[in-house]
Amino acid sequence: DAKTTQPPSMDCAEGRAANLPCNHSTISGNEYVYWYRQIHSQGPQYIIHGLKNNETNEMASLIITEDRKSSTLILPHATLRDTAVYYCIVRSPTQGGSEKLVFGKGMKLTVNP
Amino acid sequence: DAGITQSPRYKITETGRQVTLMCHQTWSHSYMFWYRQDLGHGLRLIYYSAAADITDKGEVSDGYVVSRSKTENFPLTLESATRSQTSVYFCASRGRTLGEQYFGPGTRLTVT
Repeated sequence: DAKTTQPPSMDCAEGRAANLPCNHSTISGNEYVYWYRQIHSQGPQYIIHGLKNNETNEMASLIITEDRKSSTLILPHATLRDTAVYYCIVRSPTQGGSEKLVFGKGMKLTVNP
Repeated sequence: DAGITQSPRYKITETGRQVTLMCHQTWSHSYMFWYRQDLGHGLRLIYYSAAADITDKGEVSDGYVVSRSKTENFPLTLESATRSQTSVYFCASRGRTLGEQYFGPGTRLTVT
């Protein structure tokens, strides 16, 4: 799986959009980008995933650059409950054997009142 | 209630004892997983199961045993607990697509 790079932390004001970047410059053509988050003391939570088109669901939007070397997760109106560690994960949908997700260190988003 | 549950949520046990962590999901997902989370190591896969009676090792499976006689249950057993197995354990099941996993609330295990 391609390696991802995220900044260690980011702050955002409540009510503003939070734009969380992820670099995955070695991504392969068939690898998807997944985003998860983990709120303190809870299990990780799936947010969204995409291949090359932008995706949107009730939680967030995912913008993937045309060259697919980076992506941005957008929380349109951040709330205090969005404070969490966010993980950007890249993996192939056809990887044989293990279904392992490699979470890495992630990025701590703090939403401030 | 629909979803994925784990029990117990907290457990303290002694070195050498056998302990079983339970995981139950109501979605009838085929794939289920066990991870552990430790400071400095992030989430690591212990075991996973593609279906009832089909299990496979992850990256840190030594000292753990799993079984899956029913689709909805995936218990994890520590045969002889060691202090290094003190951790938070998360169970997960896979949704429609590979990579889309849904996690339980976790079990915090302390081995003394």
